[in-house]
Amino acid sequence: KNEVEQSPQNLTAQEGEFITINCSYSVGISALHWLQQHPGGGIVSLFMLSSGKKKHGRLIATINIQEKHSSLHITASHPRDSAVYICAVSRGSGGSNYKLTFGKGTLLTVNP
Amino acid sequence: SQTIHQWPATLVQPVGSPLSLECTVEGTSNPNLYWYRQAAGRGLQLLFYSVGIGQISSEVPQNLSASRPQDRQFILSSKKLLLSDSGFYLCAWSVIHEQFFGPGTRLTVL
Repeated sequence: KNEVEQSPQNLTAQEGEFITINCSYSVGISALHWLQQHPGGGIVSLFMLSSGKKKHGRLIATINIQEKHSSLHITASHPRDSAVYICAVSRGSGGSNYKLTFGKGTLLTVNP
Repeated sequence: SQTIHQWPATLVQPVGSPLSLECTVEGTSNPNLYWYRQAAGRGLQLLFYSVGIGQISSEVPQNLSASRPQDRQFILSSKKLLLSDSGFYLCAWSVIHEQFFGPGTRLTVL
């Protein structure tokens, strides 16, 4: 079993729909990351959170430490949101433990 | 502001040839540096990380090696490439938890 599990693996939505991507993890963490990978391959960090909720524009990330679960929400989805969304966790503190363990990603396609 | 560079952007190499991928970071000092690989149809996997000059930790046994000759330079190498080395290679840096990724190198081994 992977330490970081994402669902769904693939998601197709119509423009304007509210989207949720889920991430569960099985280890103690110090931070959870949501990343976005566009078709060209480049990766952008969307959120890093260790508790509660963060919002940036139409993106919202939440985390429940007790349940070891996080969600990424996209409101009013748009075709430009089409990308792979990756959940990753980092553990501990100190240089070596900032390394990330990744989920397999969720491929989101938003149709106009 | 901080910037991370990787080159080359794409590379096609024959099996058995050597490899050198370079990553440099600007605008920060003493970063943690990371090499990740994304094989076709698979998730990202950490290959190496470094917390300082000359300090390299390997995550998985493999055909590759890494070096950090300067504070902001991280190099991924191989003496003889295998077909299974094909993939998308990403360099990243962090000071604390948040990581910042380079543009990546797409390597095809034929």
